[in-house]
Amino acid sequence: AQKVTQAQTEISVVEKEDVTLDCVYETRDTTYYLFWYKQPPSGELVFLIRRNSFDEQNEISGRYSWNFQKSTSSFNFTITASQVVDSAVYFCALSEASHGNKLVFGAGTILRVKS
Amino acid sequence: ETGVTQTPRHLVMGMTNKKSLKCEQHLGHNAMYWYKQSAKKPLELMFVYSLEERVENNSVPSRFSPECPNSSHLFLHLHTLQPEDSALYLCASSQERTVPGKNIQYFGAGTRLSVL
Repeated sequence: AQKVTQAQTEISVVEKEDVTLDCVYETRDTTYYLFWYKQPPSGELVFLIRRNSFDEQNEISGRYSWNFQKSTSSFNFTITASQVVDSAVYFCALSEASHGNKLVFGAGTILRVKS
Repeated sequence: ETGVTQTPRHLVMGMTNKKSLKCEQHLGHNAMYWYKQSAKKPLELMFVYSLEERVENNSVPSRFSPECPNSSHLFLHLHTLQPEDSALYLCASSQERTVPGKNIQYFGAGTRLSVL
């Protein structure tokens, strides 16, 4: 069964702090994809990253980095030196090849970055 | 700017009204989606269209009626809604629906719907 758990409902940090958003997933497939989306107050979900299940390399993009660990079924997202503009709701999502690659979203984590 | 435009951005309607939400994508994608985002609930997939054919309907009440006249436009027709239908309705599109590598979904900003 597909399931995505984002246990952190809300996180508050002060600007320039590093913050990690947790994502744990459940799947029986060997072929699957993991995503992160950002939803700022304006409403649209902004695509950040997609990883496939065969690529466990961590990825860094500017202040963003992602840690994919199949052993713990986790795909965590770290923002380094957070900024006020990072304040948003962040969603982790999973799609499985056996389910037509349909996206299943976690409940989201609200990140508040204070100046 | 994601290339997916939704109108209106906000809508207030009574339970007896009929209204439509519009979504337009400028990305040349073949698949389009409607999602519902309610407070304190995960995003719920409502409908999926691929090449203008509805391929998924996730037990959505008949008071929601989708229409996809071409691959660039998607509508959600609303009638006799209930207050619990108040939510953010998000449209998304992807290059293909199921092809890995081509199914990243890009979202619009949503329509904030309030049913009185």
